[in-house]
Amino acid sequence: AQSVTQPDIHITVSEGASLELRCNYSYGATPYLFWYVQSPGQGLQLLLKYFSGDTLVQGIKGFEAEFKRSQSSFNLRKPSVHWSDAAEYFCAVGGTSYGKLTFGQGTILTVHP
Amino acid sequence: GAGVSQSPRYKVAKRGQDVALRCDPISGHVSLFWYQQALGQGPEFLTYFQNEAQLDKSGLPSDRFFAERPEGSVSTLKIQRTQQEDSAVYLCASSADRVPSYEQYFGPGTRLTVT
Repeated sequence: AQSVTQPDIHITVSEGASLELRCNYSYGATPYLFWYVQSPGQGLQLLLKYFSGDTLVQGIKGFEAEFKRSQSSFNLRKPSVHWSDAAEYFCAVGGTSYGKLTFGQGTILTVHP
Repeated sequence: GAGVSQSPRYKVAKRGQDVALRCDPISGHVSLFWYQQALGQGPEFLTYFQNEAQLDKSGLPSDRFFAERPEGSVSTLKIQRTQQEDSAVYLCASSADRVPSYEQYFGPGTRLTVT
């Protein structure tokens, strides 16, 4: 069965600092991988996705993620965090024929001014 | 509307009451998903529709949960005889894709509190 682990429940960074959120997945074949962001009272918004090809994918809001098959990881990065990036971030893997997503537990990001 | 809408946004139910949660997907979207998000957890899959057909209901936690999408657009998730463990945010997502429906657009969710 597919699964996703986000080892960090809560991360705090200073505004302007770089950010890396970790994600490890378990899946038997080539996974479809996603990062979503959820602000309080809001639905999930897709930041980026990896299906195949270039292992470094660019997303919205200046985020990028790198797929590393050898490490079963898909970490999210941003070079310089803005206060508006404070939110909860979810990594997800899709593996069924129709697109059911399995999510990690989420990482809450706090940004200090 | 431009996005997925859900109603009500908040629902408080006494234990044992029945509730109905509504999802209005983006117009023309073929695929519709329901997910349950417990406090402090990631969303968990409940059920999937392609048009009016419910193709996967393996995530529904018990036979008290029932979902329908009779005309292939609006969907309703019904929970009978609510229990405290049903307290969660219920998220709906729709997609224009048939299979696989990975480009999913999520609604804001309905927060259900069972007292």
